[in-house]
Amino acid sequence: GAGVSQSPSNKVTEKGKDVELRCDPISGHTALYWYRQSLGQGLEFLIYFQGNSAPDKSGLPSDRFSAERTGGSVSTLTIQRTQQEDSAVYLCASSLGAQIELHEKLFFGSGTQLSVL
Amino acid sequence: SQQGEEDPQALSIQEGENATMNCSYKTSINNLQWYRQNSGRGLVHLILIRSNEREKHSGRLRVTLDTSKKSSSLLITASRAADTASYFCATDASGGFKTIFGAGTRLFVKA
Repeated sequence: GAGVSQSPSNKVTEKGKDVELRCDPISGHTALYWYRQSLGQGLEFLIYFQGNSAPDKSGLPSDRFSAERTGGSVSTLTIQRTQQEDSAVYLCASSLGAQIELHEKLFFGSGTQLSVL
Repeated sequence: SQQGEEDPQALSIQEGENATMNCSYKTSINNLQWYRQNSGRGLVHLILIRSNEREKHSGRLRVTLDTSKKSSSLLITASRAADTASYFCATDASGGFKTIFGAGTRLFVKA
């Protein structure tokens, strides 16, 4: 597609429910990133994919968080048993990622605003 | 912990003035980038400077990098009200694909 697409743009859920956030990267981009941003704060790294594999999952806050990527394209971030502290904007980005020197510029989606009541 | 830290946290200036934001990081890097964010949503890439470069220009943007001090600065000259946004530096932690962002500087340009 023309840009990184995230859905839904807004999600309101009740504490304890599971949520799935979706990211469609730019076509041909092999690297995909998930970040979390709380109100007025910086970006917290969650996970990144190179192709379908996730070399670095170190940023996932707890085992309630998981992510997968299929076909080297769409990625889903799943949060189980949501808590109020999970409320934030979840941002997805992609980059060419073919070689280390090509990966640097990240293209971001508009994010998903998650509100856990 | 996150790699980059920006200062100041917030900056308010008059239109036409220059805005300078600083970024410090902790480990060795291959490159450093600056991004802009409007309204708390998607970030837009502004400029990238490699570890073997000391200064780079793009339009009204000037970026410097001092690897000995592990710091960078972003200068926006002749600021405009439309420059009002949050600005983040980002580095490739551990020299790989992982890109780490700082906490950002919120810039407000008064018309």
